[in-house]
Amino acid sequence: AQSVSQHNHHVILSEAASLELGCNYSYGGTVNLFWYVQYPGQHLQLLLKYFSGDPLVKGIKGFEAEFIKSKFSFNLRKPSVQWSDTAEYFCAVNLYNQAGTALIFGKGTTLSVSS
Amino acid sequence: DAGITQSPRHKVTETGTPVTLRCHQTENHRYMYWYRQDPGHGLRLIHYSYGVKDTDKGEVSDGYSVSRSKTEDFLLTLESATSSQTSVYFCAISESSGNEQYFGPGTRLTVT
Repeated sequence: AQSVSQHNHHVILSEAASLELGCNYSYGGTVNLFWYVQYPGQHLQLLLKYFSGDPLVKGIKGFEAEFIKSKFSFNLRKPSVQWSDTAEYFCAVNLYNQAGTALIFGKGTTLSVSS
Repeated sequence: DAGITQSPRHKVTETGTPVTLRCHQTENHRYMYWYRQDPGHGLRLIHYSYGVKDTDKGEVSDGYSVSRSKTEDFLLTLESATSSQTSVYFCAISESSGNEQYFGPGTRLTVT
């Protein structure tokens, strides 16, 4: 079965530190890839997505992610985090062009940023 | 934000009682999904719908049923609620399979 692994359960950073959250998936075919963010008490919001083309994708709020096909990875990065980035981050995968399939989520990474 | 509402937003119920959660969208998207979110598990798919009256099971469908009689509404029913169904339930929609999904505000359900 397809699965998504997020390496870090909880990351603690100081403001202005750089961020990288790991995400790996297990599926040999073509995938669509997503990162979602959930701020405390809120619903999930889409940060960025990758379908095809340039493997370095930019999203909202200064986030970016790089798709490395050979490593089955889609890591999220931000050069300088802010206190307001404190949230839970979810990587998700959707099997490309598979009718009726839903997103497969990782278990999430909680980011705590101290000011 | 996509036009997705969920009702109720909070509910406390007793074990053994039936519960229905409603998801309503104004985007006319074909696909609708129900997930539950639990600490340490991320989001897990319960059921999804790919059209009116077309539904299928997800990863954790036991104890849940769904119905979709109109494009805009997707109902999740717990026939006989159990404490293990205490969770936050999110509805999501997408225009087509494989595309990004947009999430509703969630329903916090507590089964005592």
